[in-house]
Amino acid sequence: DQQVKQNSPSLSVQEGRISILNCDYTNSMFDYFLWYKKYPAEGPTFLISISSIKDKNEDGRFTVFLNKSAKHLSLHIVPSQPGDSAVYFCAATLYGNKLVFGAGTILRVKS
Amino acid sequence: NAGVMQNPRHLVRRRGQEARLRCSPMKGHSHVYWYRQLPEEGLKFMVYLQKENIIDESGMPKERFSAEFPKEGPSILRIQQVVRGDSAAYFCASSGQGTTGNTIYFGEGSWLTVV
Repeated sequence: DQQVKQNSPSLSVQEGRISILNCDYTNSMFDYFLWYKKYPAEGPTFLISISSIKDKNEDGRFTVFLNKSAKHLSLHIVPSQPGDSAVYFCAATLYGNKLVFGAGTILRVKS
Repeated sequence: NAGVMQNPRHLVRRRGQEARLRCSPMKGHSHVYWYRQLPEEGLKFMVYLQKENIIDESGMPKERFSAEFPKEGPSILRIQQVVRGDSAAYFCASSGQGTTGNTIYFGEGSWLTVV
């Protein structure tokens, strides 16, 4: 059962423009949503998170939006940089511990 | 990723052999998690351990897989009688008390290849 879904396997964006990565979930009991960035042959690195009681969280170039009624969240990266090229995983937690991951979206930022 | 140490980084085993993957959590962390990433898939939760206790093993295959986190030493993920389908990247993560999801740190991963 895929409780967290990232329906776009890949996304290509021009440097300087906005990257929007999307994620849908099915379990309304999730209490935190997180985004991780992963380079090949490395472990995931935490980027940004949002509590289920919020609808927006911003950290520098990264903003996460949560739409609970639609069970949808998105990560906005503005402006996109070539170093942002990586796989981005959406994840959710139940009671703060076990992470449930989506399948990931490959972001390519072209210079 | 700094602080969570996994070894070996790469491991090749023949079918039927045993694989042991080790994870030393970040200093001060007492919670350890193991995740597996199969090719073209996301990370799948396997097991959550605290010192000397398995808290949640709902993601562990019922046979051949076991995990421990002893009082002293690293956490070990053990796979007995490996099969080709066990080939994957295995990631360990750790956290301290009062985790809220964003304080879970991952290691660099161990890549298991079964030939």
